[in-house]
Amino acid sequence: SQKIEQNSEALNIQEGKTATLTCNYTNYSPAYLQWYRQDPGRGPVFLLLIRENEKEKRKERLKVTFDTTLKQSLFHITASQPADSATYLCALDMDTNAGKSTFGDGTTLTVKP
Amino acid sequence: EAQVTQNPRYLITVTGKKLTVTCSQNMNHEYMSWYRQDPGLGLRQIYYSMNVEVTDKGDVPEGYKVSRKEKRNFPLILESPSPNQTSLYFCASSSYTGELFFGEGSRLTVL
Repeated sequence: SQKIEQNSEALNIQEGKTATLTCNYTNYSPAYLQWYRQDPGRGPVFLLLIRENEKEKRKERLKVTFDTTLKQSLFHITASQPADSATYLCALDMDTNAGKSTFGDGTTLTVKP
Repeated sequence: EAQVTQNPRYLITVTGKKLTVTCSQNMNHEYMSWYRQDPGLGLRQIYYSMNVEVTDKGDVPEGYKVSRKEKRNFPLILESPSPNQTSLYFCASSSYTGELFFGEGSRLTVL
């Protein structure tokens, strides 16, 4: 059966360090993968999208990698800040035009000052 | 301002009383979808729509109906709500580029 797993439910790191979150999937061949941030009681907010033919994408302090052989995406936040504390969700899309994203359960990141 | 607007944001209702959660987007997006979010189960897609009059079931469609008569609106209808539909609901829209824009959520309690 199809499965999306995000490494752990919670990740605690010290301010200034790099946070690395993992998204593994099985029995999918995604056209692209996305990462979202969700604050308590709010809707998810889009961060980055990476396509199956791309290895890496960056946006300011954020970096995403996508390894279709390992079936894994890594999401990095460098120089983390307490304001980065939130739940981060990965989402897979099988079809480039379907708008039918399937989400992982999320990892809650806490950055301590 | 680009946004997805859901109403109501909070609702307490009773079993069997039909309700509609509205969703509207102002970005001229083709795709719209509804998700529910439950502790331990994450975000699960209920229905999605690829354009006007084109809808399809997501992963958990039982007990829900949708319609897409206009491009900007995608209401979620619970014909006969039950307590297991108590949840946090999100509407989202996207263009062909894929990134989803979510509404602020509608917290529904069915007694």
